[in-house]
Amino acid sequence: DAGVIQSPRHEVTEMGQEVTLRCKPISGHNSLFWYRQTMMRGLELLIYFNNNVPIDDSGMPEDRFSAKMPNASFSTLKIQPSEPRDSAVYFCASRTSRGGGSYEQYFGPGTRLTVT
Amino acid sequence: EDQVTQSPEALRLQEGESSSLNCSYTVSGLRGLFWYRQDPGKGPEFLFTLYSAGEEKEKERLKATLTKKESFLHITAPKPEDSATYLCAVRGFKSSGSARQLTFGSGTQLTVLP
Repeated sequence: DAGVIQSPRHEVTEMGQEVTLRCKPISGHNSLFWYRQTMMRGLELLIYFNNNVPIDDSGMPEDRFSAKMPNASFSTLKIQPSEPRDSAVYFCASRTSRGGGSYEQYFGPGTRLTVT
Repeated sequence: EDQVTQSPEALRLQEGESSSLNCSYTVSGLRGLFWYRQDPGKGPEFLFTLYSAGEEKEKERLKATLTKKESFLHITAPKPEDSATYLCAVRGFKSSGSARQLTFGSGTQLTVLP
């Protein structure tokens, strides 16, 4: 069974350019999370969706960041315009909230973004 | 706001040398405490969920325990393949009564030498 899929795995771009990160959650999962990981701040939640609807985007650092989930199997995180301080590893995670149970999230391999 | 502090930041052990990692937390009502393992260049991998003080979970050489203020991840007779960063996360309650999302600690980087 495929896990969470993210693309690209690595992205190098110049300051001011638009960057789009992509995520395919595990089939059947109805919650999706975008995280950012840096050495200074660790793993931070940016935004999460339930049933394709954004629930909490309070972690999105500023208006340059936006996220969409047009259907249950695809989400994007867009940065426009990008800045060097956006350099980080961006993770997507998914889980199912159906049927109760524990709250474990399943993470993708991440996208390493470098903005020069 | 939920807070998580992990210690030590880094730990080097000889193969077979047992030790513990600490996760101290502050939440307004614990909905769950989670341990993840993260290998270099990969996403975090779920290990355990603990819900109440006194609870313990085991998996191979790892055992997680929970008190009202902290959790420990005990590693018994570690092997080099246990080398990774171990992340602790908590899920608490908002003032509204609904649950927050996960707040992660900064992790403990464990190196097990052969």
